[in-house]
Amino acid sequence: GEQVEQRPPHLSVREGDSAVITCTYTDPNSYYFFWYKQEPGASLQLLMKVFSSTEINEGQGFTVLLNKKDKRLSLNLTAAHPGDSAAYFCAVSSSNTNKVVFGTGTRLQVLP
Amino acid sequence: EAAVTQSPRNKVAVTGGKVTLSCNQTNNHNNMYWYRQDTGHGLRLIHYSYGAGSTEKGDIPDGYKASRPSQENFSLILELATPSQTSVYFCASGDRGHQDTQYFGPGTRLLVL
Repeated sequence: GEQVEQRPPHLSVREGDSAVITCTYTDPNSYYFFWYKQEPGASLQLLMKVFSSTEINEGQGFTVLLNKKDKRLSLNLTAAHPGDSAAYFCAVSSSNTNKVVFGTGTRLQVLP
Repeated sequence: EAAVTQSPRNKVAVTGGKVTLSCNQTNNHNNMYWYRQDTGHGLRLIHYSYGAGSTEKGDIPDGYKASRPSQENFSLILELATPSQTSVYFCASGDRGHQDTQYFGPGTRLLVL
């Protein structure tokens, strides 16, 4: 079945720097991709949902890139600020299963 | 108004005891999910449901049962709790299955002594 590897597990950057979190997946039939943000002590909130036909997806203060050839999904936070400090999870779904597989998470700390 | 709620928010149980975690959603979603979250594992799917009366095994169903008596409610049952089931449990709802966004509850922190 689908396997999702997320890197790095921990990331610390200075305010204003960029931060990149990457997920690789195994199922070539995957076509829906998600990034969730979990603030400390809180639940998961959707950051962005991406369909496989779109390689570049712009959000507010971040970009999600999808490389289907390499089966890689990345979340790029530009000019990170302390409010971005949280855990981030990617999630991947495919047509072969009726489930979403989550990455193991990245704990991001943005230092002032 | 929170659309997915869980109760209790915190629970301490003894080994061998029965634990029931409850989830309620007002999204009118067909699908509901139970996950556990552990450091180094992310979220792992325990059970899920397509609608009232249906339950399906997820990736780690052993030691857990689920019940979906209505569209709104989905319970996770630990008949004989073990310390290895100490974790944070999240319930989620979604409308159209694996392609849809999941909406998560606030989580239940369970400690099994």
